[in-house]
Amino acid sequence: RKEVEQDPGPFNVPEGATVAFNCTYSNSASQSFFWYRQDCRKEPKLLMSVYSSGNEDGRFTAQLNRASQYISLLIRDSKLSDSATYLCVVNLNTGGFKTIFGAGTRLFVKA
Amino acid sequence: EAQVTQNPRYLITVTGKKLTVTCSQNMNHEYMSWYRQDPGLGLRQIYYSMNVEVTDKGDVPEGYKVSRKEKRNFPLILESPSPNQTSLYFCASTPGHLTDTQYFGPGTRLTVL
Repeated sequence: RKEVEQDPGPFNVPEGATVAFNCTYSNSASQSFFWYRQDCRKEPKLLMSVYSSGNEDGRFTAQLNRASQYISLLIRDSKLSDSATYLCVVNLNTGGFKTIFGAGTRLFVKA
Repeated sequence: EAQVTQNPRYLITVTGKKLTVTCSQNMNHEYMSWYRQDPGLGLRQIYYSMNVEVTDKGDVPEGYKVSRKEKRNFPLILESPSPNQTSLYFCASTPGHLTDTQYFGPGTRLTVL
């Protein structure tokens, strides 16, 4: 079983749709959580950090459930420019700086 | 401009020919990492460094070496490349806490024939 698992996708949605991405993690040393966005094999860029209290940034909302080891990302009112791969990322507290990436979920937003 | 740079961006080489991919950051970050990205597998951490002269293995270190002689530079060395090291490689840096964002370089696409 992968340490960080995401929906395999791809998701194909019309503009204006609401899209939900799910991610589960299995390592109990998981300390901090992020969603990154990656465009067409370019470098990943931070979309948002994820906190236990939940956090929102414009059309994007992230949630963390530590008890269920589950992370989510919600995109409201999808735009064409949201088309990308969304990566769930976990940093492990093992005394070092280990980072585990999910395989990513590809999103296509169509007009 | 704050950035992470990698060179070369593209490289085609042959099995067994030693190569080095350079990575440099100008943000005075403590931590640096190398990742490889393969279809269906996502990014996997090869090595990371928590400071000068401090490096440790990630999940897929076999066949790779790194060094951190200066804070800004973290080269990735393939002593004897093999075709299974054909991949897209990313270097990243971060200030130093587990809650910090990682900043990625533009990637190096390596093909080993």
